[in-house]
Formats: sequence, structure tokens, C-alpha cells
Amino acid sequence: QVQLVESGGGVVQPGRSLRLSCAASGFTFSTYSIHWVRQAPGKGLDWVAVISYDGNNIYYADSVKGRFTISRDNSKNTVHLQMDSLKPEDTAVYYCARDGYSYGLINWFDPWGQGTLVTVSS
Amino acid sequence: DIHMTQSPSSLSASVGDRIIITCRASQNITTYLNWYQQKPGKAPKLLIYAASNLQSGVPSRFRGSGSGTDFTLTISSLRPEDFARYYCHQSYSVPITFGQGTRLEIK
Repeated sequence: QVQLVESGGGVVQPGRSLRLSCAASGFTFSTYSIHWVRQAPGKGLDWVAVISYDGNNIYYADSVKGRFTISRDNSKNTVHLQMDSLKPEDTAVYYCARDGYSYGLINWFDPWGQGTLVTVSS
Repeated sequence: DIHMTQSPSSLSASVGDRIIITCRASQNITTYLNWYQQKPGKAPKLLIYAASNLQSGVPSRFRGSGSGTDFTLTISSLRPEDFARYYCHQSYSVPITFGQGTRLEIK
């Protein structure tokens, strides 16, 4: 079945870095864009970034632009989110999600991974 | 940025009730509007895409409608498993934005 599994979360001090991974299975990974969405504790959903199916189109939320970098390896069915200069306000569960259309970029999100918790605290 | 406003923010209802959640966009997004359900500790689940299309496997008591700036999610006869938080989401332009969520509680 179609599945996304995030990993790499943890506790990190402000200013440090963390790299999240999203491993995909059950579909032709190289034909789907992948998004990252985060959710701070007790809060709503906050879109972070998207990378197109071929890696040629990338967009970020203003709140992470210049600090986060999204990338993908289609040979390993994996997307990464490199998070640098982390701030306490980056504390959240980070979800990866598949875009709704094969060869699309920004549509609906389905499915979502189970999420990985990032806590930025000294 | 396109701002998405959901109402109500919370709603109490009983099993069997019909409820409506509304979502308003700050500008015309045609039908680039999607709805998700989220239960505590779980990832969001897609219910409705492109304003009115029922995602495969989602019960037919869920219905989405609207276009332009005003959208609704209707649940025709609430079941116990429907009590959750619901989010609308615009995929018209970057940055992608979500509504603040509607918490549906059992009365």
C-alpha cells in the first residue's frame, strides 16, 4: 500500500541543525511531488515546503526560507528536509505528504506520513 | 498570501445530526479547496478534494461544495467516529495555507 514514513526528529538546541527523512513505498515515487507540513503542539497545520517530482521546482514558506532545504533522491524513494538555525518556534510534529496528482506540484495531500516530532529547546 | 477562515472554530453536536462547516478564502481560489479530518495523535486524512470530490474510501455522508471564496463541508448524519478536527486547505497558490481548524465535539 502507499506509505510514507518520517524519521529524524528529536530534541535539538536553538541554532542547531536537524535532518528529517521521508521514506516512500507502494507507488512510483519519481512521479509525485512531496510536501512537508508541520503542526505545533495544540495548533493547526502549517505548510513548510514542496519539492516537485523531478526536484526541479521547490517552494518554501516564508517562515523557513533560507533556513530549511528540501531535497529528494528518486533512486532511494526518499525526501529530506534539512533544518538549520532552528528556533523554538520550529517545535512541531513534521509530516510529509504526497501531492494528489502524478506529475502535479500543488494539489491535495494524500497520503500523509505518521509524523516525527521536532523539539527545539535549550 | 491567501488567508483561509473556518467557522465555527468549535461545534458541539450529537450522533445523527447534520452539521456544516464553512471555509472562506481571502481571494478567489476557484475550486482549489480540500478538506481533511484529523483525530488526536494521528495524521490528517483527506476527505474531499477540489471542493466537491469525495476521496476514495470516505463515507458518502461527507459532502463538499462551493467555489470562488466560499466553501462548505457537510456531514449528513454524524457517526461517533466523525468527532475530530477538520481543516480546509487551499492549493491555488504558494504559500499553501490551511484554515485554523474546526473542532467537532460530542454534545
